[in-house]
Amino acid sequence: GQSLEQPSEVTAVEGAIVQINCTYQTSGFYGLSWYQQHDGGAPTFLSYNGLDGLEETGRFSSFLSRSDSYGYLLLQELQMKDSASYFCAVNHGNAGKSTFGDGTTLTVKP
Amino acid sequence: DAGVIQSPRHEVTEMGQEVTLRCKPISGHNSLFWYRQTMMRGLELLIYFNNNVPIDDSGMPEDRFSAKMPNASFSTLKIQPSEPRDSAVYFCASSRGGFAGKNIQYFGAGTRLSVL
Repeated sequence: GQSLEQPSEVTAVEGAIVQINCTYQTSGFYGLSWYQQHDGGAPTFLSYNGLDGLEETGRFSSFLSRSDSYGYLLLQELQMKDSASYFCAVNHGNAGKSTFGDGTTLTVKP
Repeated sequence: DAGVIQSPRHEVTEMGQEVTLRCKPISGHNSLFWYRQTMMRGLELLIYFNNNVPIDDSGMPEDRFSAKMPNASFSTLKIQPSEPRDSAVYFCASSRGGFAGKNIQYFGAGTRLSVL
């Protein structure tokens, strides 16, 4: 079966750096994606790692280690608007199917 | 592009009634996904289609749920009869699909369903 583990909640202050970890057990792994969802909104794509290493997109970076079945999302220079839920998702490659983790609720405090 | 369009945005119905949720994917996308999101169960994949064909419906909770995709620009998720435990936010998403790797899913705004 498929399973993903990520922390349920993380709290940080404005301007800080926060890392959200994700470990997975799955078959048919092609890559790890990250999505952001604000309260009452829809998930939106943030980042993707198909190969080991770091991908950087502005203040957000994502990392993957296939050998460790582990990835993380790094958010720098936190802003209040970053308060949201963050989901890691395994891409299986079957017509784009993804399995989502339970999400991490990030609260950014002033 | 207008993005993935779902209707209705909100639906309140009584137990036993039929509910139909609608989705228009992004033009040119080959894969379409239906998800259900609740506090207890998170974001669950119910069913997904590729080129209008259902590929995996193992997430459909029971026979009361059915989904169709009659053409590339329209899909429905039907619940008949509805029950209070079906209350959730239902998302439709689409992606280019058809290949392995980076398949970004674009989500619609969701339908918030309340079954009384």
